[in-house]
Amino acid sequence: KAGVTQTPRYLIKTRGQQVTLSCSPISGHRSVSWYQQTPGQGLQFLFEYFSETQRNKGNFPGRFSGRQFSNSRSEMNVSTLELGDSALYLCASSLHRGTDTQYFGPGTRLTVL
Amino acid sequence: TQLLEQSPQFLSIQEGENLTVYCNSSSVFSSLQWYRQEPGEGPVLLVTVVTGGEVKKLKRLTFQFGDARKDSSLHITAAQPGDTGLYLCAGARNNDMRFGAGTRLTVKP
Repeated sequence: KAGVTQTPRYLIKTRGQQVTLSCSPISGHRSVSWYQQTPGQGLQFLFEYFSETQRNKGNFPGRFSGRQFSNSRSEMNVSTLELGDSALYLCASSLHRGTDTQYFGPGTRLTVL
Repeated sequence: TQLLEQSPQFLSIQEGENLTVYCNSSSVFSSLQWYRQEPGEGPVLLVTVVTGGEVKKLKRLTFQFGDARKDSSLHITAAQPGDTGLYLCAGARNNDMRFGAGTRLTVKP
């Protein structure tokens, strides 16, 4: 089975712009979770989607949003980018919801200038 | 503050040494997972522990879940350079998974 894929792998944006990141889960997996990873804060949970519905949300401002399509692929969007949004954004898929084993993609490295 | 506190934050040792890293919380978890992340990649699951007091061994790695299911430890025997990476613990509760900030381990040859 192919693993979790994320595109793009690297992205450079400037403050005020918006960005869309994409995640394709492992075939058959219905749950997709997004995380932000920074050296200072570690892995912070953004949101979880299951069957096209957001099931859980972390403590992030409304500038961070996401969606899941009928084929389980997911996108996350960050609007009005700030310098502090520079991070590695990881997507993880799992067969079932929530606390099931999560399989991570390689991440998208976002740099905001 | 993190729900899960990992210590130490950084650890640099010589090949062949033993080490233990810790994952602590004031919350009770239904299960706890350990992941290892290498540069440029996402975290990869090493083990899941479910029962309080459970001990699992994976070659030179020994994982223990605390009796009260609030903490866990990872012990590596005779560390090798290939063990270098970021070790993350993740606790599951209420259909929710939360990660610690990780312990960055460097094993020098």
